Amino acid sequence: QLQLQESGPGLVRPSETLSLTCTVSGDSVNSPTHFWGWVRQSPGKGLEWIASIFYSGGAYYNPSLQSRAAISAGTSTFSLRLTSVTAADAAVYFCVRHDYGSLFDSWGQGILVAVSS
Amino acid sequence: SSELTQDPAVSVALGQTVSITCQGALLNKYFGSWYQQKPGQAPVVVFSGRNTRPSGVPDRFSASKSGNTASLIITGAQAEDEAVYYCNARDYGGNHRWVFGGGTRLTVL
Repeated sequence: QLQLQESGPGLVRPSETLSLTCTVSGDSVNSPTHFWGWVRQSPGKGLEWIASIFYSGGAYYNPSLQSRAAISAGTSTFSLRLTSVTAADAAVYFCVRHDYGSLFDSWGQGILVAVSS
Repeated sequence: SSELTQDPAVSVALGQTVSITCQGALLNKYFGSWYQQKPGQAPVVVFSGRNTRPSGVPDRFSASKSGNTASLIITGAQAEDEAVYYCNARDYGGNHRWVFGGGTRLTVL
């Protein structure tokens, strides 16, 4: 059974870098059939796709975050770095698995990240 | 605002049928997917593409598309269907990019 689990700090200071990791069990991050990515949800707001990575190493970004975001993959984990965070980056961050189309079929439980000094 | 437009809120009487719509150019040629999110939980996919309903999702959930508007249809809405519903789509225009709609809060009366 596929499981995704986010980990990382619950609090980041403004202008610093947010680093999150997703641990995957029940599938391989190196699978050629799926993308692995991050989606966030600001308090009381909708879902925003941030970035995704494919087994070949190809990384894809939301244009609005591309200059600050970096996604990478390991053996059974994948990670997100978001630089120069502001209050607008405070959100629940979900790691996800999705297919080549629009099917985001597995989600982590989400991790709440606050931005404050 | 999102490239995929959803009504912020919709209500339906218990047992009646409701359609939740999602409009945008990304849906011109391809179906998107639909997600249900209840408070404090991660979204769960309830329908994808032309005819994919994940196992465990009740068959009262279906989807359709006309032009650039996709619809999630709940036939015989139940109290447990009260949630926020999101659509999403992939940008097939040469960019590897995925977009979510703004979400529709469904109230079952």
